[in-house]
Amino acid sequence: QSVLTQPPSVSGAPGQRVTISCTASSSNIGAGYDVHWYQQLPGTAPKLLIYGNSNRPSGVPDRFSGSKSGTSASLAITGLQAEDEADYYCQSYDSSLSAPYVFGTGTKVTVL
Amino acid sequence: EVQLVESGGGLVKPGGSLRLSCAASGFTFTNAWMSWVRQAPGKGLEWVGRLKSKTDGGTTDYAAPVKGRFTISRDDSKNTLYLQMNSLKTEDTAVYYCTTDTGSDYGRKFEYWGQGTLVTVSS
Repeated sequence: QSVLTQPPSVSGAPGQRVTISCTASSSNIGAGYDVHWYQQLPGTAPKLLIYGNSNRPSGVPDRFSGSKSGTSASLAITGLQAEDEADYYCQSYDSSLSAPYVFGTGTKVTVL
Repeated sequence: EVQLVESGGGLVKPGGSLRLSCAASGFTFTNAWMSWVRQAPGKGLEWVGRLKSKTDGGTTDYAAPVKGRFTISRDDSKNTLYLQMNSLKTEDTAVYYCTTDTGSDYGRKFEYWGQGTLVTVSS
């Protein structure tokens, strides 16, 4: 049972900026645990997109950026492109659950 | 290049068993913590369990829905991770991903993923 809440969907025209929120609780993000983001293109495995709140792995375009504040985190995509149409998940650690890892509910990004 | 290749998925009846394998290459498997993550059809990601490296104790942790039914193990001589699934339920139907589990206590993440293997539990 996920305790990281994301909007089910966001959309934007090519070139626009979209943001995805990841809202949590004081036992995970609010407790200082890092947030990571994954991109899942249709029919493929998830891929690490942002780690440690705001860091991009090698090869990830700089139009993807992450931030964290208090009990929430955000993923921003600037200069939206058709190939960015995918599902996006946040992930953190939770000290209050029996499972140490928790994923967000997922957000479908649609490029209009 | 890091590669994780899962195998062993398939159709199994409720109450049955299945063992998944994950062949790893391109990194020092012996030192790696590994996790399994699953995704039910049309649903989000769910962490299943993890196995620490032997250096870090070699212990396992599991999500509540699979605890007592699933067992993660490793053969470092073969660079292979396993997921033994017993007493399978229809709700275990999902694509199962093998992942590397890296980072610190405050920031563990799933850095590399396999392509996934589909497990279908149905009568």
